[in-house]
Amino acid sequence: RKEVEQDPGPFNVPEGATVAFNCTYSNSASQSFFWYRQDCRKEPKLLMSVYSSGNEDGRFTAQLNRASQYISLLIRDSKLSDSATYLCVVNPGAGSYQLTFGKGTKLSVIP
Amino acid sequence: GAVVSQHPSWVICKSGTSVKIECRSLDFQATTMFWYRQFPKQSLMLMATSNEGSKATYEQGVEKDKFLINHASLTLSTLTVTSAHPEDSSFYICSARGPRRSTEAFFGQGTRLTVV
Repeated sequence: RKEVEQDPGPFNVPEGATVAFNCTYSNSASQSFFWYRQDCRKEPKLLMSVYSSGNEDGRFTAQLNRASQYISLLIRDSKLSDSATYLCVVNPGAGSYQLTFGKGTKLSVIP
Repeated sequence: GAVVSQHPSWVICKSGTSVKIECRSLDFQATTMFWYRQFPKQSLMLMATSNEGSKATYEQGVEKDKFLINHASLTLSTLTVTSAHPEDSSFYICSARGPRRSTEAFFGQGTRLTVV
């Protein structure tokens, strides 16, 4: 089982749609979780951290289920500018600052 | 947020030559930096962890003699791809842990290396 697995995508959705991405991780001891956004041929940029209680930032909602080792990202009212690849990222903890990346899910928002 | 600058953003080199990539933390000190490689449609794969003043820690399968890492100061880490070959063509990205022991990672802009 891969360390971080994501929906393969691509997701092609119309503007205004709601889209959800899923991610699972294999290391039950993982401590920190993030969603990063990566535009084509660019570096990843932090979209939001993911907390056990769930957290929301505008149109974006992230949730974590530690028991199921599952992370989700919900995007409401999709904009054309949301088109990108979304990376699920996990920090294994235990004093490590390394990050493990999923392969990413590509989102294309269509006019 | 913290700024990490990576240079060059792209480079084309001949097979057999060496290429140096620089990664600088501009407004904070980074005792630890990470070097990743990303092939098309693949995830970022950690190559090595660079620690200021000590030897880098390489991930399994990454040749330390081919990918030389130097982290001589708290704001600069360099990756040198020695004797580059076409299969080394990839997107190389550095990152640094944010200041104040943050777990957030800040990435350089990446370097697209093409070996011809």
